[in-house]
Amino acid sequence: GDSVTQMEGPVTLSEEAFLTINCTYTATGYPSLFWYVQYPGEGLQLLLKATKADDKGSNKGFEATYRKETTSFHLEKGSVQVSDSAVYFCALSLGGSARQLTFGSGTQLTVLP
Amino acid sequence: KAGVTQTPRYLIKTRGQQVTLSCSPISGHRSVSWYQQTPGQGLQFLFEYFSETQRNKGNFPGRFSGRQFSNSRSEMNVSTLELGDSALYLCASSPSQDLNEQYFGPGTRLTVT
Repeated sequence: GDSVTQMEGPVTLSEEAFLTINCTYTATGYPSLFWYVQYPGEGLQLLLKATKADDKGSNKGFEATYRKETTSFHLEKGSVQVSDSAVYFCALSLGGSARQLTFGSGTQLTVLP
Repeated sequence: KAGVTQTPRYLIKTRGQQVTLSCSPISGHRSVSWYQQTPGQGLQFLFEYFSETQRNKGNFPGRFSGRQFSNSRSEMNVSTLELGDSALYLCASSPSQDLNEQYFGPGTRLTVT
């Protein structure tokens, strides 16, 4: 079946450090890929997305590139801030007429001042 | 535009009882999906509704059911509650023109004692 594998957490970084959270996927079709972020006590917020190979999603300084050859969608940010502390989820959707997101297990990020 | 709203935000029930959770999608969104989030199983897809029809269902027992009304508002019901049903239940809505993108509400925290 379809699945998403994320880098195990938690991840702790100092402010202004470089962030990478690895994400790889297995899918029977040609999925769209997403990164969602969850702040404490809140629901999920869409951070960025990519719908086809070599697409780069970007938002708020975060970037991820859809790599079909390595089935990966790694999240990166050049300089993290304390306010980036949250749980990050990688997800895929095969689209079609029905909506269903398949999520990774989530990566807890803590940024220290 | 107002975001996805879910009521109630917190709920405590006893084993064997039933519960109904409500979700109001973003205005104009016709697709509503439900997810269960637990520390052990992560985020799991429950079901998705579009124009009052269930289009997709996850791997959950029949105790979990849902419906959608003509105004796109949705409810999910869990009967004969078990301790393992304690979770954060998230609702997400999707615009018809971009069905891959989902916007999440803050969730309902259900505790079963």
